[in-house]
Amino acid sequence: DAGVIQSPRHEVTEMGQEVTLRCKPISGHDYLFWYRQTMMRGLELLIYFNNNVPIDDSGMPEDRFSAKMPNASFSTLKIQPSEPRDSAVYFCASSLPQGEAFFGQGTRLTVV
Amino acid sequence: GDSVTQMEGPVTLSEEAFLTINCTYTATGYPSLFWYVQYPGEGLQLLLKATKADDKGSNKGFEATYRKETTSFHLEKGSVQVSDSAVYFCALSAQYNFNKFYFGSGTKLNVKP
Repeated sequence: DAGVIQSPRHEVTEMGQEVTLRCKPISGHDYLFWYRQTMMRGLELLIYFNNNVPIDDSGMPEDRFSAKMPNASFSTLKIQPSEPRDSAVYFCASSLPQGEAFFGQGTRLTVV
Repeated sequence: GDSVTQMEGPVTLSEEAFLTINCTYTATGYPSLFWYVQYPGEGLQLLLKATKADDKGSNKGFEATYRKETTSFHLEKGSVQVSDSAVYFCALSAQYNFNKFYFGSGTKLNVKP
């Protein structure tokens, strides 16, 4: 398996624009996680899914953030409108039930 | 709530020095404990894990022992290499919600030749 695949690897956008980050989990993994990593706050769990259903979105910072998982092999994290303080590295991870999390390489988002 | 606290970095060592990165946790019951490593520009990779008290996880010369009595899971390596330079994250998953992971803030390790 190719592992967790995220796209794009880098995204630069202007404030106010919509940003969509994409993730393909490892085939067969039931759980999918979105994390945000910044120097100030470290690694924060934003939301996670089980069998495509959102289980806990308490980490989503604002209504500007939304995540979907339309099927077992694809998830998106959308920010609309984006702000400079959203600049961070966003990681997607997936896991089996009671298994460790496997991370993608991340998307580095810069909002100018 | 559940949480992980690890020592702040950066930690700078010379090659072949002994490494300890401290990690303590707060959790109800018996969580599973993990160490992840992040190399520059990459995602986190599982380094080792322990799922019950007194278990020792080990990989690539790194070790950590699950100590219930001190709620700790310190990472150790007897002789570090330049290639070990990375950020190390301690993490737990709760006994009753295994698939929700809590990560520490990360400790950056710099190993000099």
